[in-house]
Amino acid sequence: AQSVSQHNHHVILSEAASLELGCNYSYGGTVNLFWYVQYPGQHLQLLLKYFSGDPLVKGIKGFEAEFIKSKFSFNLRKPSVQWSDTAEYFCAVLLSGTYKYIFGTGTRLKVLA
Amino acid sequence: DAGITQSPRHKVTETGTPVTLRCHQTENHRYMYWYRQDPGHGLRLIHYSYGVKDTDKGEVSDGYSVSRSKTEDFLLTLESATSSQTSVYFCAITPRRGGESTGELFFGEGSRLTVL
Repeated sequence: AQSVSQHNHHVILSEAASLELGCNYSYGGTVNLFWYVQYPGQHLQLLLKYFSGDPLVKGIKGFEAEFIKSKFSFNLRKPSVQWSDTAEYFCAVLLSGTYKYIFGTGTRLKVLA
Repeated sequence: DAGITQSPRHKVTETGTPVTLRCHQTENHRYMYWYRQDPGHGLRLIHYSYGVKDTDKGEVSDGYSVSRSKTEDFLLTLESATSSQTSVYFCAITPRRGGESTGELFFGEGSRLTVL
């Protein structure tokens, strides 16, 4: 069965530290990839997405992600986190030719001021 | 927010009672989804709809039914609520721009359901 793995469940960083959150998926076909963010008490919002083309995609608020097809990975990065980045981050995969999205279990990020 | 409204936003009910959650959208989106969010499980798809009266099951559909009698409303029903269905339920749509699907999901504000 297709799945999405986020290996870091909880991450604590100090402000200005660099961030990398891992995401791996298991599916041999074409996928579209997403990162969503959920701030405390809110709904999920799109951070960035990859459909095709340049495997390094840039999103909002200084986030970026790199699609490495050979590793089935789509890791999220930010060079310098801020306190306001405290949130839960979800990686998601859309299987090509379907409208079924598969979400990872999420990574809770806490940024210390 | 892509014009999505969920109701009720909060509900407390007792085991065995029926519950219906409503997702209402104002922008004629074709695809609508119901997810539940639980700690340690992320978001799991319950049911989705690809048009009026066209629905399909997701990965955790047992105990849930849906209906979509008109484009703007997608109803999720728990025929007989159980404590395991205590969760936060999110409705989502896939918007279109220029006639093409964006492939993204836009989520509603969520409905927090507690089954005692």
